[in-house]
Amino acid sequence: AQSVTQLDSHVSVSEGTPVLLRCNYSSSYSPSLFWYVQHPNKGLQLLLKYTSAATLVKGINGFEAEFKKSETSFHLTKPSAHMSDAAEYFCVVGDKLIFGTGTRLQVFP
Amino acid sequence: EAGVAQSPRYKIIEKRQSVAFWCNPISGHATLYWYQQILGQGPKLLIQFQNNGVVDDSQLPKDRFSAERLKGVDSTLKIQPAKLEDSAVYLCASTVTVRANTGELFFGEGSRLTVL
Repeated sequence: AQSVTQLDSHVSVSEGTPVLLRCNYSSSYSPSLFWYVQHPNKGLQLLLKYTSAATLVKGINGFEAEFKKSETSFHLTKPSAHMSDAAEYFCVVGDKLIFGTGTRLQVFP
Repeated sequence: EAGVAQSPRYKIIEKRQSVAFWCNPISGHATLYWYQQILGQGPKLLIQFQNNGVVDDSQLPKDRFSAERLKGVDSTLKIQPAKLEDSAVYLCASTVTVRANTGELFFGEGSRLTVL
């Protein structure tokens, strides 16, 4: 069975500082992994996806994630946070698209 | 390009009543999903359709939930009778590919259900 764990329910950063949202997965085989973002009162949107090609994946809005098999991790990063990045972020694993519990990102001016 | 349409956006009912949600996916998308998102949790897959056939309904509480996609286009999710724990946002998503891990899911804005 596959599962995913988002290690932080809330992350707060100042505008212009780096963002790190952590995700660990469990899978008996190399999985597909995704990050989705959910802005208030808007639909979920795909940020990026890993499907066994390059381990460093670049997504929209300057986000990227690195697949680390040895650590079973797929952390989401951004060098410099913007106010518009404030949202809920979900790490998702596998063919059945199992969602994590989400990390709420707050960005302070 | 029009996105995934869902209605109603909000619904309040009393327990034991019934409710139905409608979803119209992006034109040409073969695969349609219904997810349940309870407050503070990630979305949970309820059912996946490929065209008008069910691919996965293993997490659908079949004693009270039903879903159909008769013509392989729009879909309806029904709850009868509703329980308090069914209060959630019901999300519809679609993708053009058959396998989810090769494609991007497009989500609607969801239907928020409150059961009193």
